[in-house]
Amino acid sequence: DVQLVESGGGLVQPGGSLRLSCAASGLTVSSNYMSWVRQSPVKGLEWVSVIYAGGSTYHADSVKGRFTISRDISKNTLFLQMNSLTAEDTALYYCVRGSVDTEGRTMPHFDSWGQGTLVTVSS
Amino acid sequence: QSALTQPPSASGSPGQSVTISCTGTSSDVGGYNYVSWYQQHPGKAPKLLIYEVYYRPSGVPDRFSGSKSGNTASLTVSGLQAEDEADYYCSSYAGHYIRVVFGGGTKLTVL
Repeated sequence: DVQLVESGGGLVQPGGSLRLSCAASGLTVSSNYMSWVRQSPVKGLEWVSVIYAGGSTYHADSVKGRFTISRDISKNTLFLQMNSLTAEDTALYYCVRGSVDTEGRTMPHFDSWGQGTLVTVSS
Repeated sequence: QSALTQPPSASGSPGQSVTISCTGTSSDVGGYNYVSWYQQHPGKAPKLLIYEVYYRPSGVPDRFSGSKSGNTASLTVSGLQAEDEADYYCSSYAGHYIRVVFGGGTKLTVL
């Protein structure tokens, strides 16, 4: 069974930084396309970042230049480095696996979700 | 403000059918057959319910069905059961790399 366990969330002041981690089991992070999706009462669900099996990364416009997605193959772990945080970044952050079809094409839906880690940006 | 528009609430009695709509634009819902639906129970992570408009992952009951017409997608829950009470979110591919947009969610109440 696939298991994704996020950690690293917490309370941080505006302008601060946090690094989220997602420890994966039952799947190999480097062989899958992985994303971070966040959820807040204000904005609802919002796709944040993606890293493909080949290593390419992309970020939503709302976090571009501030957030960086990466992975550690040896630890089978996904990361999200978040800098210059603002109150609008307050949310529950989910680590998710993107689906791939039978031909290996990445599909725009997510079939495995972690339980999330809460990030609160407040002074 | 979410990119896709869903009604905030829906309800039905056990055994009845309920349909939840998800309205986007020609740049997302109307432009691709990549609409997904997720079910989220309180305190839990979203769970993939429907993908590519009407396909169900293994293990999802066939009481859940999806469809699309133009810029509006729909999720129908037939034979409502108490455990169907949850929040439902739609999502759609919106072009470029995997740029996914979500709806604001619909709280389904089983009366």
